Amino acid sequence: NAGVMQNPRHLVRRRGQEARLRCSPMKGHSHVYWYRQLPEEGLKFMVYLQKENIIDESGMPKERFSAEFPKEGPSILRIQQVVRGDSAAYFCASSSGLNTEAFFGQGTRLTVV
Amino acid sequence: DQQVKQNSPSLSVQEGRISILNCDYTNSMFDYFLWYKKYPAEGPTFLISISSIKDKNEDGRFTVFLNKSAKHLSLHIVPSQPGDSAVYFCAIFNTDKLIFGTGTRLQVFP
Repeated sequence: NAGVMQNPRHLVRRRGQEARLRCSPMKGHSHVYWYRQLPEEGLKFMVYLQKENIIDESGMPKERFSAEFPKEGPSILRIQQVVRGDSAAYFCASSSGLNTEAFFGQGTRLTVV
Repeated sequence: DQQVKQNSPSLSVQEGRISILNCDYTNSMFDYFLWYKKYPAEGPTFLISISSIKDKNEDGRFTVFLNKSAKHLSLHIVPSQPGDSAVYFCAIFNTDKLIFGTGTRLQVFP
C-alpha cells in the first residue's frame, strides 16, 4: 500500500556498522508495527509502537535492536553492529487502532556483507 | 509454539477454478482475522478480514470463512486468475499484534 512509506528500499551494510530503517505510517495512523522476513520464512513480529511509546517489543532481539516512534517524524528501526544474520526484509505496517486492518510498506531489504 | 498455522506451503489451481487456502489457529480468544497477499520483493497487501462475530465475509472474488468451533479460517478465490499467483498469509490479532502464518504459495496456471 503506497500510503506506508519505507526507506531506503535497499540497504547494504558491512558487518559492525549500524543500519537505520525508516517508516512513515499512513496519514491518520498512530500504530506502527515492524516485522522481519528471513529468506523462505514468514513474517515475524518484532515490535509495536504508538506515538512516543513502545507497546510490545516481545519479538525484538534483546541486543543491538531498538525502535522508536517520535512525536514528529517517522518510526525508526535501528540495528547496531550488524551481523550477516541480520540480512532480511524488514516491513513496517500501520493501522488506526487494534483489530483493524494494518497496511504495509514495501519493505527495506537489508544486506550485510 | 506456532499460534497460526498454514499447513499447505503451496497450492496449484487452474485458471477459472476455485482456490481454497486454509489456516488454523490455537487460541479460541482470537477475535479478528485477516488475509494478506504478497508478491516477491513487495510488501504484503491487505485482502479481506473477518471478526469473530461473523462466519463469512465476501468481497468480490474473495470470501473468507470462519469456523470458530474448529478454530479454522479459509480464503476462497473464485474464479482464480493468473494474477492471483502469490504467497497468501493469514494473520490474527493477538492482543496487540498481528501474528502471521507461514504462508501458502498459490500458483494459478492457464
